[in-house]
Amino acid sequence: EIVMTQSPATLSVSPGERATLSCRASQSVSSYLAWYQQKPGQAPRLLIYGASTRATGIPARFSGSGSGTEFTLTISSLQSEDFAIYYCQQYSNWPRGVFTFGPGTKVDIK
Amino acid sequence: QVELQESGPGLVKPSETLSLTCTVSGGSISSYYWSWIRQPPGKGLEWIGYIYYSGSTNYNPSLKSRITISVDTSKNQCSLRLSSVTAADTAVYYCARHSYGYNPFDYWGQGTLVTVSS
Repeated sequence: EIVMTQSPATLSVSPGERATLSCRASQSVSSYLAWYQQKPGQAPRLLIYGASTRATGIPARFSGSGSGTEFTLTISSLQSEDFAIYYCQQYSNWPRGVFTFGPGTKVDIK
Repeated sequence: QVELQESGPGLVKPSETLSLTCTVSGGSISSYYWSWIRQPPGKGLEWIGYIYYSGSTNYNPSLKSRITISVDTSKNQCSLRLSSVTAADTAVYYCARHSYGYNPFDYWGQGTLVTVSS
């Protein structure tokens, strides 16, 4: 099973500042990496897939990069609605493998 | 707009079977994969398994012996059964859609909390 790790566990950022979140896979997942945003009491929402493609309706301040085992989600200028938990997820071993998520990074207000 | 809605008992006794249904509206269940994902309170996300509309399945080995996922295309529903539950199975259970191929979960239900307790 591919293990996903994320850092930091918590990121304190002021509104308007840049946030950089990291995700690492225990083995290469190529570019089959997604990022999700989850707010309290809500389901996760797809932000980025294919490591760098924004999902429909996602603002341009969200960007993803990386391939293989190292990935980054950048929020260029944090808005109040961006304070949430962010999860990365690999889907590289479709169709017969296990999809795995990272433990999440909580972005809170500094 | 595709919408997913999970439904089922919110309380299940230990050793019994958890049964949930995901109803898809605004689109067809056909031609897609439908996964179940769970999240214990205050914790991260765990993929449970998926079913293709045709009926083929893939389960997380950590839960495989206790899971059954089924689909009813006539009702636009998929279902999860998890047997022999314990307190560790207490979680919010989500259903989510993904497309054929290497694709992420693009639509999610709102989730339903299932508590395992006597």
